Amino acid sequence: SAVISQKPSRDICQRGTSLTIQCQVDSQVTMMFWYRQQPGQSLTLIATANQGSEATYESGFVIDKFPISRPNLTFSTLTVSNMSPEDSSIYLCSVVPQGAFQETQYFGPGTRLLVL
Amino acid sequence: AQRVTQPEKLLSVFKGAPVELKCNYSYSGSPELFWYVQYSRQRLQLLLRHISRESIKGFTADLNKGETSFHLKKPFAQEEDSAMYYCALSPMNTGFQKLVFGTGTRLLVSP
Repeated sequence: SAVISQKPSRDICQRGTSLTIQCQVDSQVTMMFWYRQQPGQSLTLIATANQGSEATYESGFVIDKFPISRPNLTFSTLTVSNMSPEDSSIYLCSVVPQGAFQETQYFGPGTRLLVL
Repeated sequence: AQRVTQPEKLLSVFKGAPVELKCNYSYSGSPELFWYVQYSRQRLQLLLRHISRESIKGFTADLNKGETSFHLKKPFAQEEDSAMYYCALSPMNTGFQKLVFGTGTRLLVSP
């Protein structure tokens, strides 16, 4: 497994501003993902964070709104840009550790975001 | 498109009663299926995956391709089983890298 931390754990933001969420892992991982869980909804994959290249976004998510960085094998950031109240969600980072079953994902604690 | 359906938002049972959390999926290929669990104030964690055919904490789940179901079962519920349970599917055409989640079922086990 892997120990995953996210910062911040929660935040309250004003509409029109941006927030960057950090995901740090205690060991090198092959895959890193970002999910969103809107109130009362299931988890939805936003994008796959690729090390050293642009993230791969799922349908309905774009880089201008959710820019992602992954400078190395243990760290990634997700920015929620020009926020609106509809962006109020829990944002989760997940990873696939090196040597693990490719589909075994481990999740961070999440970042709870409220946009006013 | 892939879809996972968990028809029950809340399942309430008494301790010692059998539990079945329903999960149905929609996918034309051969998926990998998982159950994830989130206990109070803890992070989401993998409970079991169908490929392993294992029993974790007394829970089992059988993939029924004919009914496209992957129901989670436990013969005797315990209070510590109270949690949020998510069924998830990983499509083969994504190299099993993508997880599609259901909306989750909250299990409440009363003494």
